[in-house]
Amino acid sequence: DGGITQSPKYLFRKEGQNVTLSCEQNLNHDAMYWYRQDPGQGLRLIYYSQIVNDFQKGDIAEGYSVSREKKESFPLTVTSAQKNPTAFYLCAHADTNTGELFFGEGSRLTVL
Amino acid sequence: EDQVTQSPEALRLQEGESSSLNCSYTVSGLRGLFWYRQDPGKGPEFLFTLYSAGEEKEKERLKATLTKKESFLHITAPKPEDSATYLCAVPPGGGSQGNLIFGKGTKLSVKP
Repeated sequence: DGGITQSPKYLFRKEGQNVTLSCEQNLNHDAMYWYRQDPGQGLRLIYYSQIVNDFQKGDIAEGYSVSREKKESFPLTVTSAQKNPTAFYLCAHADTNTGELFFGEGSRLTVL
Repeated sequence: EDQVTQSPEALRLQEGESSSLNCSYTVSGLRGLFWYRQDPGKGPEFLFTLYSAGEEKEKERLKATLTKKESFLHITAPKPEDSATYLCAVPPGGGSQGNLIFGKGTKLSVKP
């Protein structure tokens, strides 16, 4: 599993609800990332964190929030402010020596 | 602006028909170029990292090469199980930390 686990794999949400996606890694890496993937588009960065208790916005952070209270965990909350939340969400951790990213299996969110 | 462009968007091959995928990039001070394979509904799987022009790496039927402006992923005698979307990515230029910039991918279909 590349040392990283995302859950749930599928999630349905009603409009106006917040939802939190889980991401856990067991390789003791400092850097973790959240990407969004839509059909016909490249992966777009939502948030990233290089160290516990610190994180930075990516290119499309509006309507999302994150926390990094523990090194192994980097949950993503999709808030009701996100206008088009239906997408495939990917969490990754990085080997900072090589820059290589290792992805989880993804979470597919559908807003009903 | 840092950018990654992949071509073609889609490629259909017969089993055994060799071909190449292209990834062109514009970024100052390349600090690595990464190739990933992504199966439908799954997270991207890391394949290769290339760091300098002239470098080549191989894995089974895949060989990645790098020049100063582009990278090629050569597929020799492909099999149906090579069908997937292939993504390339580079770190942002200017010494920025963190995320990779991804291309939109090439969807490869190999027919028996």
